[in-house]
Formats: sequence, C-alpha cells, structure tokens
Amino acid sequence: AAGVIQSPRHLIKEKRETATLKCYPIPRHDTVYWYQQGPGQDPQFLISFYEKMQSDKGSIPDRFSAQQFSDYHSELNMSSLELGDSALYFCASSPQALYGYTFGSGTRLTVV
Amino acid sequence: QKEVEQDPGPLSVPEGAIVSLNCTYSNSAFQYFMWYRQYSRKGPELLMYTYSSGNKEDGRFTAQVDKSSKYISLFIRDSQPSDSATYLCAMREPHQGAQKLVFGQGTRLTINP
Repeated sequence: AAGVIQSPRHLIKEKRETATLKCYPIPRHDTVYWYQQGPGQDPQFLISFYEKMQSDKGSIPDRFSAQQFSDYHSELNMSSLELGDSALYFCASSPQALYGYTFGSGTRLTVV
Repeated sequence: QKEVEQDPGPLSVPEGAIVSLNCTYSNSAFQYFMWYRQYSRKGPELLMYTYSSGNKEDGRFTAQVDKSSKYISLFIRDSQPSDSATYLCAMREPHQGAQKLVFGQGTRLTINP
C-alpha cells in the first residue's frame, strides 16, 4: 500500500539558511499535518491543512510557513534556520480528517 | 501540566510477558484515542484507533479507554523482542477539519529474549 512520502530523508543546513521539506500524502487523503520531534521528545504539532486550506496551527515559528498544493502535496518552508530547529520533521495524512493519521518516515534536519 | 501524561519508562520485560502501557489526560473533549509505535529514527506507526470508551482488540494488542477516569491503556500479550520500541498514546477532539493529535511523551519498551 502507498504510504506518506517525505523528502529529503536527511538535510544538513547552516544557521540562517533556508530549507524546504516536502510531503506527498497517501492518495485520496485530503488532510496533511506537520509535526516536529526533538530527541527524546513527543511529536509537537506545527500546522495542518484540510482540502488545501490551513486548518489548525500549533507552535510553528513565524520563520516557518507551509502550504498544500492542488495535488494535495505539502511543503514546509523554514527560513533563518537556528540550531534549535534540528529535529525530525514528520508529515502525516488522513482521509477526511476523521481517522488516525499515517505518518511518513520523516526528514531529519540538522542545522550546523 | 501537559494535556496528556505518559510514563516515559524505560520499561523492560521478558519475552512472553503481558505489557501494560497507560496514559492519562485532562481534556474531557478528547473522543478519539490512538496508540502509535515508533522505532528509532522512524515515523510513528498507527497500532490502535478507538472512538470514545470501550475496548478494542487486534491480535496481540488490546486498547482500553475509560473516559470517566480519563485513562487509556494498551495491552500487549505474548510480547516479542520485535515489540521493542517507543509507544506513544495520542488523542484528539471530534471537531471538523484537520484537528491536531495531542501526544503523550512516549514509553520506551524493551522486550528481552
């Protein structure tokens, strides 16, 4: 079965650089969520989209922005990167925002 | 205080034992309850999904929800070394739209052969 695809799997950036993370949800899933997970931490909700509209917003810094495109894929744009942004970034999708999410394998971002 | 509390462990049990994992929560509006398994450096994998109170069984896994006590549990029978992972409880409110999941801290479980 198709899963949630995230790219890239690993990313190394320097401070103050910009990063773009991509997420391709499971076909026919219209809801996408972004989470940030630091080492030994539980996933922290960043932002979600339902039918290409922003639906909910969590603890997402103003330096971050995201959108969902017409084909339902989503991108998380991160600017002015800081060392503290180093984490695993997960994307998840669900059908009709009613069921359990399916997570992707994540993008490991390292800021040096 | 976090909305969802989960003992981070670590929890170590012998192979074949019954494992009990638990979470408590404070938000009475939560209606959907989930358990995820996460292996190191991997994305969380949905194990069990329960709506409102009651029990749900799937193979060696049983999820229980007690809304009156704001307490949920995951039982693993005949535990295997491959069950060694971090287990995260998660829950959400029944609103329309892309409602976020609120996670517990995760319990690190090791099954010893």
